[in-house]
Amino acid sequence: KAGVTQTPRYLIKTRGQQVTLSCSPISGHRSVSWYQQTPGQGLQFLFEYFSETQRNKGNFPGRFSGRQFSNSRSEMNVSTLELGDSALYLCASRPRQGGTEAFFGQGTRLTVV
Amino acid sequence: QKEVEQDPGPLSVPEGAIVSLNCTYSNSAFQYFMWYRQYSRKGPELLMYTYSSGNKEDGRFTAQVDKSSKYISLFIRDSQPSDSATYLCAIFSNAGGTSYGKLTFGQGTILTVHP
Repeated sequence: KAGVTQTPRYLIKTRGQQVTLSCSPISGHRSVSWYQQTPGQGLQFLFEYFSETQRNKGNFPGRFSGRQFSNSRSEMNVSTLELGDSALYLCASRPRQGGTEAFFGQGTRLTVV
Repeated sequence: QKEVEQDPGPLSVPEGAIVSLNCTYSNSAFQYFMWYRQYSRKGPELLMYTYSSGNKEDGRFTAQVDKSSKYISLFIRDSQPSDSATYLCAIFSNAGGTSYGKLTFGQGTILTVHP
């Protein structure tokens, strides 16, 4: 069974631009969560989607948004990029609504210059 | 104070040693406890998952939870150079009584096992 797939693996963007990251969960998994990982703050929760609806949100500004499609694939968007948005963005899928084990993708490394 | 505290190390041990990795947490409502391993330039990989106090064994790995002390540990026996990675403790918490929720991670401990 294929794992969580994130694209692209690496991105370089300029301050002020916007970016869209993509995540395909493990087949059959319907819950998708996004996390930001930085050396200073570690792994921090951004949001969770289930059945195309955002179910839970972390403490990030509104520039960070996401969506989920009917096939459970998810996208994350960051608008008006700032230097501090440089991070590894990780997507995790869970097998079901109540399942607590989360399986992560390889991440997208975003560099803002 | 962070909700989950983890000693960042780094920790360097000889091959064959027993490794002990530890986290403390502050929220007594936390119920589900996980350990992830992350190799450089990779995503975290789920190693162990438990929800009750006590020990859970999987091969060379043992996860231990003490809810009364709010303390979780991961023990690695007969450590190997391939175990060299960052180890992250994580706790799943539900959002407002729903089955949705989030993982709160420790900072991660960098482990190096040298031959």
